[in-house]
Amino acid sequence: EPEVTQTPSHQVTQMGQEVILRCVPISNHLYFYWYRQILGQKVEFLVSFYNNEISEKSEIFDDQFSVERPDGSNFTLKIRSTKLEDSAMYFCASEGVANYEQYFGPGTRLTVT
Amino acid sequence: QKEVEQNSGPLSVPEGAIASLNCTYSDRGSQSFFWYRQYSGKSPELIMFIYSNGDKEDGRFTAQLNKASQYVSLLIRDSQPSDSATYLCAVNPPYGGSQGNLIFGKGTKLSVKP
Repeated sequence: EPEVTQTPSHQVTQMGQEVILRCVPISNHLYFYWYRQILGQKVEFLVSFYNNEISEKSEIFDDQFSVERPDGSNFTLKIRSTKLEDSAMYFCASEGVANYEQYFGPGTRLTVT
Repeated sequence: QKEVEQNSGPLSVPEGAIASLNCTYSDRGSQSFFWYRQYSGKSPELIMFIYSNGDKEDGRFTAQLNKASQYVSLLIRDSQPSDSATYLCAVNPPYGGSQGNLIFGKGTKLSVKP
């Protein structure tokens, strides 16, 4: 069964450093999302991406964040200058056309020290 | 502020019983509703979704939607210890240029005792 994959599974970085989180969505899906979940809290929407551009973004997704689909398979989230409060699980999700079902990847645990 | 509210639990049921999980949402125009299961340290896993008022059954799971009351629930029949997890209710708001982001509740932790 097709699945969303994410790398790395765990990333430790120092405050102020740039990180890139990578996702490979399900191959025939066209809508892509990033969510985050701070430990013990709810899953929060960050950004959605369709047709090579951002469709929606939340208040969390400020100028420090960017997304890119550099090729036909990868979807990346970049955090330019990490803060302690960016420590969270980051989930990528993808969705097919007209089925409204978002499937989540296993997540990347980001730890900012 | 669009909200999705769930009782955090824990909800404890004996094996074989029916577990009933509830969710309310604030945006009356919301169109689609999802239940995800999340095991500790894992990602959300889609169980089922519902768009229309009434019941929708899938195996041991039944989702119920009442748009007038802004209420959605999930029933798990013949609960198994492997059903022990946190159940997340998510709502797809009516706005947005994409298929729509999901607004999640905090989740209800279910514990099924053997």
